[in-house]
Amino acid sequence: ETGVTQSPTHLIKTRGQQVTLRCSSQSGHNTVSWYQQALGQGPQFIFQYYREEENGRGNFPPRFSGLQFPNYSSELNVNALELDDSALYLCASTKGLAGYTGELFFGEGSRLTVL
Amino acid sequence: AQTVTQSQPEMSVQEAETVTLSCTYDTSESDYYLFWYKQPPSRQMILVIRQEAYKQQNATENRFSVNFQKAAKSFSLKISDSQLGDAAMYFCAYTSGTYKYIFGTGTRLKVLA
Repeated sequence: ETGVTQSPTHLIKTRGQQVTLRCSSQSGHNTVSWYQQALGQGPQFIFQYYREEENGRGNFPPRFSGLQFPNYSSELNVNALELDDSALYLCASTKGLAGYTGELFFGEGSRLTVL
Repeated sequence: AQTVTQSQPEMSVQEAETVTLSCTYDTSESDYYLFWYKQPPSRQMILVIRQEAYKQQNATENRFSVNFQKAAKSFSLKISDSQLGDAAMYFCAYTSGTYKYIFGTGTRLKVLA
């Protein structure tokens, strides 16, 4: 069983640039959620994708956007990067959608530094 | 709005001893689920233990157990016989079955040999 994989693991961007982060969900999982974990903080929910549609969104501006592909992998795109976007971005996959209350399966994350 | 609070930024425990990590939460929901996740340095976050709010019995997983006090909205994690491999960030989390999970700010656990 293949776990959740994310790429790249580390990247450095400058303010105003755009970034794309990628996530492959665990085998058999069809739902992907993205979280932002700033230094010294807990993960904050960005959004969730199910069957290629955004299912829910946290308190993040529209410059944070995403995609989910037919194979359930996902991308997180951030435009017009700001210094405060520096964080560890975590992808979590699960199986099913409605009322899910089980374990989130996380990848190791992509650490973004914005200079 | 639901919130999760972890008031201990860092805790230390001697190897083989017992340590308790604290978590409080706020919600108006009657049915919800609570979790403890472990995040080792540079490694992925993994589930330690899960508790359904409708169950009065405290969850246990080997050396890990919780003290769930629903009226007090408290959910603490007890680690018995602490091992060096237990050193990590521990996050308390909550969901009511919507699409998002709410995490606390974490407690860094150090295990002293």
